[in-house]
Amino acid sequence: DQQVKQNSPSLSVQEGRISILNCDYTNSMFDYFLWYKKYPAEGPTFLISISSIKDKNEDGRFTVFLNKSAKHLSLHIVPSQPGDSAVYFCAATRVSGTYKYIFGTGTRLKVLA
Amino acid sequence: NAGVTQTPKFRILKIGQSMTLQCAQDMNHNYMYWYRQDPGMGLKLIYYSVGAGITDKGEVPNGYNVSRSTTEDFPLRLELAAPSQTSVYFCASRTSGRMPEQYFGPGTRLTVT
Repeated sequence: DQQVKQNSPSLSVQEGRISILNCDYTNSMFDYFLWYKKYPAEGPTFLISISSIKDKNEDGRFTVFLNKSAKHLSLHIVPSQPGDSAVYFCAATRVSGTYKYIFGTGTRLKVLA
Repeated sequence: NAGVTQTPKFRILKIGQSMTLQCAQDMNHNYMYWYRQDPGMGLKLIYYSVGAGITDKGEVPNGYNVSRSTTEDFPLRLELAAPSQTSVYFCASRTSGRMPEQYFGPGTRLTVT
């Protein structure tokens, strides 16, 4: 049972345009969501997160939106840059209790110059 | 700070051999995790630890063992390696504070033939 799903394995976007990466979850107990970026041959690095008490969190070019009723979150990158080309993973957890994280399968973003 | 370090970077094992993947962090994080990432898949949790002397199973613990004798180190032991354990292994750590972002090591690529 895949509790966190990223249904788009890949996405290509022109430089300067918006990239939108999507993530769906099934477990309503999740209350904190994170996005990680991964370059080849490196470990994932934390990008941005959002608590379930919010519906939006911004950090520079990166914004994460959370729709709890739809159990859906999205990562917006504006404007997209070639250096953003990487695999993006969303993850979900409960802040108290399990200490476990469930990761999606990732979306490979390619930003075309 | 070196962050999270993992050794070795690469290893080839023969079926039935054993090895220990090393993980260390210098951020005084209480929580540490081991994940494996198979091609096209997300990260699957193998084991985690919430402090020295305390470990628990994740989603895919079979074939692995862990120990946590110090805050800094969290080695993962593979006994009787099998081809199904061919994967990239990531170690991660996080604080016990409110913000649950994990910090990942660079990974160990293991091939079992």
